[in-house]
Amino acid sequence: AIRMTQSPSSFSASTGDRVTITCRASQGISSYLAWYQQKPGKAPKLLIYAASTLQSGVPSRFSGSGSGTDFTLTISCLQSEDFATYYCQQYYSYPMYTFGQGTKLEIK
Amino acid sequence: QVQLVQSGAEVKKPGASVKVSCKASGYTFTGYYMHWVRQAPGQGLEWMGWINPNSGGTNYAQKFQGRVTMTRDTSISTAYMELSRLRSDDTAVYYCARPQGYCSSTSCYHVWFDPWGQGTLVTVSS
Repeated sequence: AIRMTQSPSSFSASTGDRVTITCRASQGISSYLAWYQQKPGKAPKLLIYAASTLQSGVPSRFSGSGSGTDFTLTISCLQSEDFATYYCQQYYSYPMYTFGQGTKLEIK
Repeated sequence: QVQLVQSGAEVKKPGASVKVSCKASGYTFTGYYMHWVRQAPGQGLEWMGWINPNSGGTNYAQKFQGRVTMTRDTSISTAYMELSRLRSDDTAVYYCARPQGYCSSTSCYHVWFDPWGQGTLVTVSS
């Protein structure tokens, strides 16, 4: 199975900051990558698919980039509601879809 | 709007089975596969398998083969995931999720997930 590694595992930031989360695949996955946001006690929410396509209704401060093995999720200006855990998911290798271990974004 | 509503929390003893339901609304149930993903406490997400509600065809992750059974009842737009021979490390929140991307009449391919059900906590404890 393709292994997805996110970095960092957790970090602190302040509202208004620009933050970047990285996701690395153990082998090339083209642009078959999605990003999700999960808040405590809630289901994951889709943010981005195809590495850089913003899901309808998701604020434009979220953006994604990358292809092959290295991907990033950027939040341009952190809002209070953005503090959550973020997961990447590869869907290149089917049906064995795999997720990163998550990046927890906390308030500084 | 598209909505997936799951059954309530369960507590089971080791060796028992659990059956979680996922009721779909807001779209044609037989038009989309249904996937199941689980999340152990404080851990990441783990894909378990899918069911094609139209045909009943299934595909399970190798890790769960022999223990998981996915079924559906099209008359009530509901998918089910049953996990047997439960162990303590099966304690997790189980989610159903509708795939986006490309699924044919026989399989899903490059898919991501949206929306998700609210999750069902299954606790396995003696």
